[in-house]
Amino acid sequence: GENVEQHPSTLSVQEGDSAVIKCTYSDSASNYFPWYKQELGKRPQLIIDIRSNVGEKKDQRIAVTLNKTAKHFSLHITETQPEDSAVYFCAASDAWNTGFQKLVFGTGTRLLVSP
Amino acid sequence: EAQVTQNPRYLITVTGKKLTVTCSQNMNHEYMSWYRQDPGLGLRQIYYSMNVEVTDKGDVPEGYKVSRKEKRNFPLILESPSPNQTSLYFCASSTQGGTEAFFGQGTRLTVV
Repeated sequence: GENVEQHPSTLSVQEGDSAVIKCTYSDSASNYFPWYKQELGKRPQLIIDIRSNVGEKKDQRIAVTLNKTAKHFSLHITETQPEDSAVYFCAASDAWNTGFQKLVFGTGTRLLVSP
Repeated sequence: EAQVTQNPRYLITVTGKKLTVTCSQNMNHEYMSWYRQDPGLGLRQIYYSMNVEVTDKGDVPEGYKVSRKEKRNFPLILESPSPNQTSLYFCASSTQGGTEAFFGQGTRLTVV
């Protein structure tokens, strides 16, 4: 089955800096890669996702890149703000093949943005 | 308001005492699943359901049961809880072929 590895486990940056979180996946059939943000004591919420037919997607200060050959994808946050502090999870799924969401999550990255 | 609702939010129980965590969604989603979240291990899938009366094991199903008798409900049953099932549990739902998974607010379970 699919296995998703995520690095780093913790990341501390200064406000205004950029943050990059990286994930690798093992199953070449995976074709959908979402990122979830979980604030302290809250539920995970989708912040951005990418499908395997594109290499990059951007939404304001966040972007995701995908390298299918290397089987890795990354989350980029620019101009970080204290409210970006949270745990971020990457995930992989072959939703396009199966028609439903069987997400396999990474182990999470705790991002701390200091003012 | 579209939402996934879990109950209870917090539960402390003793080893061996059967319990049920309920999950209900009002978005008419076909797909529902249960995850447990443990420090350093991320979110691991326990069971999932593709539709009414269709369920299957996820990655960590041991010690858990589920049922899907109605489309909106997907309860998680622990027949004989043990301390290693102490965890934060999340229910999630999504449309068939859909993308975003909508999570419930979580249930923090402690088994002593």
